[in-house]
Amino acid sequence: SQTIHQWPATLVQPVGSPLSLECTVEGTSNPNLYWYRQAAGRGLQLLFYSVGIGQISSEVPQNLSASRPQDRQFILSSKKLLLSDSGFYLCAWSTSGGAGNVETQYFGPGTRLLVL
Amino acid sequence: AQSVAQPEDQVNVAEGNPLTVKCTYSVSGNPYLFWYVQYPNRGLQFLLKYITGDNLVKGSYGFEAEFNKSQTSFHLKKPSALVSDSALYFCAVRPGASKIIFGSGTRLSIRP
Repeated sequence: SQTIHQWPATLVQPVGSPLSLECTVEGTSNPNLYWYRQAAGRGLQLLFYSVGIGQISSEVPQNLSASRPQDRQFILSSKKLLLSDSGFYLCAWSTSGGAGNVETQYFGPGTRLLVL
Repeated sequence: AQSVAQPEDQVNVAEGNPLTVKCTYSVSGNPYLFWYVQYPNRGLQFLLKYITGDNLVKGSYGFEAEFNKSQTSFHLKKPSALVSDSALYFCAVRPGASKIIFGSGTRLSIRP
């Protein structure tokens, strides 16, 4: 079966410090991968998605970036964190699209980031 | 514009009573519809989805949802609520080949 991991679970960082959040998926190949941010326990904002190694699409311009160095690894980074970067970051995966395939997204446990 | 709406921020139900969490959508073409649940400080868990066929879809934990094309709705239902159903519920729609769109969430509170 497939599993998705995120770490760390919780992170407290000072303003201006760098960030690296990691997401890995097991039990599947060539997944689509997604990074979301959830503010104040409410709606989800899609930040990045990837359909393959090195292929990253950005949904919202910001000081965050994403990379996919391996097939099942997705990393969210920042060179300098802002207060507004605080939130709950969720990684998700889905099977890659095909004829008739409706991709259900499956989410990781999330990383809570607090920028002080 | 493609969108999904959850008109209620919060729904309060007594344990044992039926519950409904509302969702409406606006997309062009045939939509694919999803419900997810989120417990505190956890990721979203997939409950059920509608692709095609029977309008009543059954999912995890006794939940079901009814697709109504004429009303463009996909309400989540459960015949008898449990206190453990208290959580944040998200409706989502995937318009054809486009990316999935999530609603703003509805907080469900079940009182004993």
